[in-house]
Amino acid sequence: RKEVEQDPGPFNVPEGATVAFNCTYSNSASQSFFWYRQDCRKEPKLLMSVYSSGNEDGRFTAQLNRASQYISLLIRDSKLSDSATYLCVVLMNTGFQKLVFGTGTRLLVSP
Amino acid sequence: NAGVTQTPKFQVLKTGQSMTLQCAQDMNHNSMYWYRQDPGMGLRLIYYSASEGTTDKGEVPNGYNVSRLNKREFSLRLESAAPSQTSVYFCASSEAPGAGEAFFGQGTRLTVV
Repeated sequence: RKEVEQDPGPFNVPEGATVAFNCTYSNSASQSFFWYRQDCRKEPKLLMSVYSSGNEDGRFTAQLNRASQYISLLIRDSKLSDSATYLCVVLMNTGFQKLVFGTGTRLLVSP
Repeated sequence: NAGVTQTPKFQVLKTGQSMTLQCAQDMNHNSMYWYRQDPGMGLRLIYYSASEGTTDKGEVPNGYNVSRLNKREFSLRLESAAPSQTSVYFCASSEAPGAGEAFFGQGTRLTVV
């Protein structure tokens, strides 16, 4: 079983739609959680951290369910510029602290 | 701000050739990393350096060596390239090993033929 699992997509949505991505992680001792964004042929960049209480940054909302080992990202009012791959990332301590990346979920927003 | 700078951006090698990927960061970060990214596999950690003077193996270290030359620079060496090492390589840095925000270089697209 992969340490971090995501639906690879692609998710094809029209502009203005709301879309949600999910992610599950295997290590219940995982400490911190993040969403990164990666544009085509570019490097990953931090989008937002995920807090236990849930957090919102503009059109983006991230939630964490530790009991189910599940993380989500909700994007409201999708823009063309949101088209990218969204990486679920978990900080794990397996002898050393490391960021474990999911394979990513691809989002395509169309006019 | 330059952030994390990797060179080269593209490289084609023949099987058995060697090369070194260079990485430098100007953010005074303590920790540096090398990842490879393959389709369907996500980013996998090759080696990391928690702080200047230390290096450790990640998930997929075989066929690679690293050098933390100083606090700014962390290089990755392929001694004898193999087609299985065809990948996109990313260098990254963070303030500390447990920091959630890692800053990535632009990547090196390596093809081994």
